[in-house]
Amino acid sequence: GAVVSQHPSWVICKSGTSVKIECRSLDFQATTMFWYRQFPKQSLMLMATSNEGSKATYEQGVEKDKFLINHASLTLSTLTVTSAHPEDSSFYICSARRRATEIKRVQETQYFGPGTRLLVL
Amino acid sequence: GQSLEQPSEVTAVEGAIVQINCTYQTSGFYGLSWYQQHDGGAPTFLSYNALDGLEETGRFSSFLSRSDSYGYLLLQELQMKDSASYFCAGPNTPLVFGKGTRLSVIA
Repeated sequence: GAVVSQHPSWVICKSGTSVKIECRSLDFQATTMFWYRQFPKQSLMLMATSNEGSKATYEQGVEKDKFLINHASLTLSTLTVTSAHPEDSSFYICSARRRATEIKRVQETQYFGPGTRLLVL
Repeated sequence: GQSLEQPSEVTAVEGAIVQINCTYQTSGFYGLSWYQQHDGGAPTFLSYNALDGLEETGRFSSFLSRSDSYGYLLLQELQMKDSASYFCAGPNTPLVFGKGTRLSVIA
């Protein structure tokens, strides 16, 4: 169990367009989802925390108007990169956290999706 | 703030044992996790320590000393497929990741 999917896995777009990335928890309800970004040969950097039914909390330095996050249900969060530019090209990874009452293995409360690779031309 | 420090690169021979260290500075601590990431892939969970001591999972073990703010990942009987980046992460959710250690296993 505890599968998280992301769609699309790859996206190539022109500069100035917007790109939407979906993150779904397939077999559990995720009250909280996290969005990370990873540039080549670097670590994962947390961009924002998304809570179902409320506004996302963004990390310092992340533009909330550029990276729109919507967490409309307990199984879906979306990240929209608006007016994408080449410097936004990166690997975007979402992660979902189970409801506290559903955590069976305290060791692994945060489950990662397979990532979405974005290339902006 | 929170930071996790680990070596940037490690090279080891196939069949050998390698230890990847992680020191951390966090406000509050709930546990140290380890993730493996192959090139082009997402991180996959390896191990977790909430208490001091050694946790063993097959060829991988992880150790934690909370008094020293220190942990390590131990990989035994190294195989070529273990060549990847390894991240320590903590202390709670959302996970904060160390910069990663790139392990190269050579024949």
